[in-house]
Amino acid sequence: EAGVTQFPSHSVIEKGQTVTLRCDPISGHDNLYWYRRVMGKEIKFLLHFVKESKQDESGMPNNRFLAERTGGTYSTLKVQPAELEDSGVYFCASSLGTALAKNIQYFGAGTRLSVL
Amino acid sequence: AQKVTQAQTEISVVEKEDVTLDCVYETRDTTYYLFWYKQPPSGELVFLIRRNSFDEQNEISGRYSWNFQKSTSSFNFTITASQVVDSAVYFCALSEGWDYNKLIFGAGTRLAVHP
Repeated sequence: EAGVTQFPSHSVIEKGQTVTLRCDPISGHDNLYWYRRVMGKEIKFLLHFVKESKQDESGMPNNRFLAERTGGTYSTLKVQPAELEDSGVYFCASSLGTALAKNIQYFGAGTRLSVL
Repeated sequence: AQKVTQAQTEISVVEKEDVTLDCVYETRDTTYYLFWYKQPPSGELVFLIRRNSFDEQNEISGRYSWNFQKSTSSFNFTITASQVVDSAVYFCALSEGWDYNKLIFGAGTRLAVHP
């Protein structure tokens, strides 16, 4: 069974440009989460989808960030326009939507974003 | 306020030594979950264990063991007879409530095991 996959693994862009990160969750996982780790700091929650609906977007830093999950499968996270402080590693995680699954979140390898 | 503290930034040991990674958490909820994840050089976070707030039993899995103590709000992780393959960054995390809530992470502890 394939794990959580994220594309690209690394992105280097200039300040002011737009970048779109993609996450493919484990097949059948209704819950999809985005997190990011800014250099030297903790991994911080960004938002949580249940299928195609945003369940919790309290961690989104500002309106330059837009997350979508059309059809409840893969998700994209767009940063427009990118700023220097957006640099970091963006992680995606997914989990099953049943009590038996015990809300174990499985993570991808992350996308390292460098804004120059 | 919810918070997870991993006071050890980096630990360096020699192979076969035992090592304990500390994790202290803060929460006002009576229902919560605690997790440990491993991040090897490849980058992905690998799930190791999940423990709920009503289960204080310690757990052992091979060379790994976890000590959950509500009295001290700690969930420490011990690796016995460490190996080079254990070298990684280890994260402790907290999730509050029964729902599929976000994880609150500690800053991570980088473990280097030398041959």
